[in-house]
Amino acid sequence: IQMTQSPSSVSASVGDRVTITCRASQGIVSYLAWYQQKPGKAPKFLMSAASSFQSGVPSRFSGSGYGTDFTLTISSLQPEDFATYYCQQANSFPLTFGGGTRVEI
Amino acid sequence: EVQLVESGGGLVQPGGSLRLSCAASGFTFSSYWMSWVRQAPGKGLEWVANIRQGGSEKYYLDSLKGRFTISRDNAKNSLYLQMNSLRAEDTAVYYCARYSESSGYLDYWGQGTLVSVSS
Repeated sequence: IQMTQSPSSVSASVGDRVTITCRASQGIVSYLAWYQQKPGKAPKFLMSAASSFQSGVPSRFSGSGYGTDFTLTISSLQPEDFATYYCQQANSFPLTFGGGTRVEI
Repeated sequence: EVQLVESGGGLVQPGGSLRLSCAASGFTFSSYWMSWVRQAPGKGLEWVANIRQGGSEKYYLDSLKGRFTISRDNAKNSLYLQMNSLRAEDTAVYYCARYSESSGYLDYWGQGTLVSVSS
């Protein structure tokens, strides 16, 4: 299953609303996860499309979608949110990731 | 606190082998599937392999089958990745991660270990 993320990068300011989309090449029900990765660090699980959040993830992050189209929204961008975000389908092996979306100032 | 600590990376010549290890703590290791994921320099994430709790079921990225072997030792709370016939394109940071069987996401990650394949 191929995962296509858009945009590949986005320039935004603190306080902006940012939406990242992820499209699967075939239906994956709700088996999608979002990760945040900062430079030089390991990825961090944010949430699944089934609204399972990792503890400590701020409420400004939200996810939605079903089937083939999913979105990650940051309602009010904070300085610590500048990072690269990846989606991952969890419907079947091989697990596959989107190409990433770099959120930059 | 869940902790995953990888080790075993380094510089290896093309055609060589390496064995990566991942030491797990802070959770019941034997109750979880585990995964390896890699990231080439400046590139995105690529899933490598998964192993079931008891080690009886394994899945691999097709392009790596026959060269990479995932294994685990539940008595030692450890995950392994044996990598043979290494190629330049295997150069990457390798992460171990805990896999949620019910939802398919990777909820905890190690800090990664760098494997460089070069002559």
